[in-house]
This record gives sequence, C-alpha cells and structure tokens, in this order.
Amino acid sequence: DTAVSQTPKYLVTQMGNDKSIKCEQNLGHDTMYWYKQDSKKFLKIMFSYNNKELIINETVPNRFSPKSPDKAHLNLHINSLELGDSAVYFCASSRTSGDRREQYFGPGTRLTVT
Amino acid sequence: RKEVEQDPGPFNVPEGATVAFNCTYSNSASQSFFWYRQDCRKEPKLLMSVYSSGNEDGRFTAQLNRASQYISLLIRDSKLSDSATYLCVVNWSRGNEKLTFGTGTRLTIIP
Repeated sequence: DTAVSQTPKYLVTQMGNDKSIKCEQNLGHDTMYWYKQDSKKFLKIMFSYNNKELIINETVPNRFSPKSPDKAHLNLHINSLELGDSAVYFCASSRTSGDRREQYFGPGTRLTVT
Repeated sequence: RKEVEQDPGPFNVPEGATVAFNCTYSNSASQSFFWYRQDCRKEPKLLMSVYSSGNEDGRFTAQLNRASQYISLLIRDSKLSDSATYLCVVNWSRGNEKLTFGTGTRLTIIP
C-alpha cells in the first residue's frame, strides 16, 4: 500500500511556466512537509504544515506556495519557474505527538526546467 | 560549521566487512536523531532512530553521545544490498519537527 504518494513523478517544463505538484499520505499523520534535493544531493526542508496550518517556511522564494486542503494532502504550486528550480522535490509526513515521530517520504518529483 | 556533518566518503568495502559512519551535530539542544538511507534516484527511507542508550537492529547498531554531539552507525557483515547513501538526521525540537539532514555518506559494497 502506498503510504506517501506524489504526482507527477517527472515534470519537464520551460522557464516562466507555472506548475503544481501534489502529495497525499494515508498514514493518518498530522504533519506534512516539502523538501528540495538539489543536484549536489543536499536535502533541505522548504515547508511544513500541521493540521493544515503552516508551521515552517524556510526562506523559500514566494514563487513557491504550498496549500494543504486537509491533513492528508499538501500541494506545492510554483510560479514563474526558473532554471534553478530544477531539483527533486520530496513530500514527507509524520506525527508530532507520541514517541514515533519519524518522517516518511514520498517517491519524489523530478522537476527539470529548460 | 555545518549543522550536521558526516564523513565525506565514499566508502568502498568488501562484502562481509564491518563499516562505521560518524556524524556530528552543532545544536546541543537537538532532541531526536535518525539514520536514513537513500538509494540512487529514490526517496530517503528511515533506517533507524538513535536512542540515548544506543540501539541495535539486526546487523545495524546506532550510538549517540550527547556530550560530544556525535552519532554513529555500525553495519556488520555488510551485504551488497547495503550499498546506498546514509544520511544522518537531527531534529532540533519537539512539536516543530524540522529535520536537518547531513550531506550523506555514499557506501558501496564490493562483491
């Protein structure tokens, strides 16, 4: 069973376009995250939402706008795409209560901006 | 100084060998610690949490030294399937689950 899923898996688009990535989790977690992994493989958090409320926003350009319609979904919309936005974007989810707070990652969306 | 620093690697070790990875973190208030593994072109997957008393899961042993702000991972009897990048991960706080990842150490097990 898929725990954290993302669509699309691959996204190739031109500079200046607007695109969205979707994420869903069926683990019953209350917090979801977006991470960016760049070409040097460094993984860095961008946003997190707890019960649909934004709690982490890591100095990401405001061209990136996350939206959480409910606890199980977190989408990422990117306006005016730039070459530097090319990366793999991972969604993750976790609990924020109790002892087991590990984060579980989706399969990633490989974004290429040309 | 990086927030989470790992051995640079790469590590190329023969099958059956024991290999150890080290990791240091800069924030003494860090609350929880993990090792994740990431296969090529895949997502990070939790390998194990790291507890203060140290913990073992089969061939894998994790240790935490809060005084030295140091985490280690030991893999015994390494298998070809252990080839991956191992990520040291630290969480600064509880309730605001912001994971900080090390840059990872690439391990290749050689037949």
